[in-house]
Amino acid sequence: SSELTQDPAVSVALGQTVRITCQGDSLRSYYASWYQQKPGQAPVLVIYGKNNRPSGIPDRFSGSSSGNTASLTITGAQAEDEADYYCNSRDSSGNHHVVFGGGTKLTVL
Amino acid sequence: EVQLVESGGGLIQPGGSLRLSCAASGFTVSSNYMSWVRQAPGKGLEWVSVIYSGGSTYYADSVKGRFTISRDNSKNTLYLQMNSLRAEDTAVYYCARDLTVTIGHYYYYYGMDVWGQGTTVTVSS
Repeated sequence: SSELTQDPAVSVALGQTVRITCQGDSLRSYYASWYQQKPGQAPVLVIYGKNNRPSGIPDRFSGSSSGNTASLTITGAQAEDEADYYCNSRDSSGNHHVVFGGGTKLTVL
Repeated sequence: EVQLVESGGGLIQPGGSLRLSCAASGFTVSSNYMSWVRQAPGKGLEWVSVIYSGGSTYYADSVKGRFTISRDNSKNTLYLQMNSLRAEDTAVYYCARDLTVTIGHYYYYYGMDVWGQGTTVTVSS
């Protein structure tokens, strides 16, 4: 089955831009989706498809993809963006599974 | 309002069984792909199972043969029957609406856009 790899932790200064990456073979076949999760809360979808934001997600969140790597970019990070971020996609091995990355803890300094 | 509400979690001994429920409002469960995702304490998200709108079901290798996903269309509710529970099944279990679109033999994945608040399952003696 496929795996998605994320850096465990990333930090960014308040107001600066940060990129969180996700690598995996399945990303050559399927778009990555990105989720924000704050402590004690359910995950929230922030990016899906090529680069789409659900209603209510600020436009400072954007997504991109190249080859086997997907990226979530936060332009002008805010204190409230401090959270865990997970990527996910379908497994490309044909088993109908879904895979998640291990998550990236974003700290806003 | 589109919403998912899970219930049924609790403390259960190893080897026991538990059934989780996920009541949907604002949309029709049977018209969507629906997934269960779990999160062990201090760990990341782990996909557990999916049921397609057509009724096909799929499971993570870690739960295959022990867990069963189903739905009751009349109640607009998703279920996860968990048997032969192990300590490693301890987690918060979330149900989520899966936005996969199927066109012919092709699948287009757009993530999970609606999540429940989660229900906690603790497997311990």
